[in-house]
Amino acid sequence: EIVLTQSPGTLSLSPGERATLSCRASQIISSSYLAWYQQKPGQAPRLLIYGASSRATGIPDRFSGSGSGTDFTLTISRLEPEDFAVYYCQQYGSSPPYSFGQGTKLEIK
Amino acid sequence: QVQLVESGGGVVQPGGSLRLSCAASGFNFSSYGIHWVRQAPGKGLEWVAFIRYDGINKYYADSVKGRFTISRDNSKNTLYLQMNSLRGEDTAVYYCAKDWIWWFDPWGQGTLVTVSS
Repeated sequence: EIVLTQSPGTLSLSPGERATLSCRASQIISSSYLAWYQQKPGQAPRLLIYGASSRATGIPDRFSGSGSGTDFTLTISRLEPEDFAVYYCQQYGSSPPYSFGQGTKLEIK
Repeated sequence: QVQLVESGGGVVQPGGSLRLSCAASGFNFSSYGIHWVRQAPGKGLEWVAFIRYDGINKYYADSVKGRFTISRDNSKNTLYLQMNSLRGEDTAVYYCAKDWIWWFDPWGQGTLVTVSS
């Protein structure tokens, strides 16, 4: 079973700052199999990034994904007020076929 | 636009059963696999089950295997999750989500299931 570990658990930043969120896998995974989601309180998760670095439809270009192997990163270049939320990474593997990281809460400082 | 709407959640006693539904619109439902993903209160996301576009192949998380059954009716554009032998740890918001093989998009708004006596 591949375990995804996200860090930090909570990130406190101000609007306009740059956010860097990490997702580390317990085994090497294909970049094609790594996605990122944003979840705001009371809402369903929304796909941000798929294939480690491709933005989903309608996602602003301040969001970018990178990484390979076991280390992946979600970067928000310049935080807007609406970006403060919880972010999850997710991978496709063998058993179980899908798993999520525990999440990073991005909060306003 | 693509839309998924869950229903059927509620309060059920431990050991009881519940059937969730997910009504799909805005896309060719019979051509896509669909997932169930759940989120316990204040917790992270947990993948629950997946059914292929034709309903032939189904996959389950170990935590629900043997208790939950995923099914679909392509003539009604609807996905189901039959949940039996419910436990307290099954308390969660249950989301359905459209399959893109390696990721999920979009997600429904979710339906809350509470297992409590």
